[in-house]
Amino acid sequence: TQLLEQSPQFLSIQEGENLTVYCNSSSVFSSLQWYRQEPGEGPVLLVTVVTGGEVKKLKRLTFQFGDARKDSSLHITAAQPGDTGLYLCLGAFRDLLQGAQKLVFGQGTRLTINP
Amino acid sequence: DAGVTQSPTHLIKTRGQQVTLRCSPISGHKSVSWYQQVLGQGPQFIFQYYEKEERGRGNFPDRFSARQFPNYSSELNVNALLLGDSALYLCASSYRRATNEKLFFGSGTQLSVL
Repeated sequence: TQLLEQSPQFLSIQEGENLTVYCNSSSVFSSLQWYRQEPGEGPVLLVTVVTGGEVKKLKRLTFQFGDARKDSSLHITAAQPGDTGLYLCLGAFRDLLQGAQKLVFGQGTRLTINP
Repeated sequence: DAGVTQSPTHLIKTRGQQVTLRCSPISGHKSVSWYQQVLGQGPQFIFQYYEKEERGRGNFPDRFSARQFPNYSSELNVNALLLGDSALYLCASSYRRATNEKLFFGSGTQLSVL
């Protein structure tokens, strides 16, 4: 069973601090996406990474895909209260047994930025 | 443009009953996928449909089934409901079924099984 271990599960920090969220697996993923989910809403895509070693930046957010495509990280610089939310990583892989695509979410990181 | 719409938004059922959840994708999107999100956890993949055919299935029992219609809308059916089926059910659509496609999520159907 392919699993995505996401850490930390909970993170509460002060405005202006930096933080990193990790997403790790023993499986190789064809692509990995990061989403943010607000209460009562569905997740919204932040970024997609597909190439090992790829780094993408979205304003104060930096996303990295591991060289082996088994792990990813999300780094937020100078966090702001508006960054508060549930951050989810989503890995895509092909199930060789079923010959079908499967999608696996991490457990999520609930981030709270205190003013 | 309308986003992904799901109905109903909330639903209360009792154990053993059956439920049907509905999803309308963004216009032009041909792929629909379903997810179960238990409170405090990340969503779990249930099914993906593309061009009316099942293209992927997660580790859910046969009580869960789905279908996609010619207009690309989709239904998720759950039979013989258990207390543990209580969750937020999310539907997502994308134009294609490629693994790196952007998924657009609806706001979900909150199912409570009593």
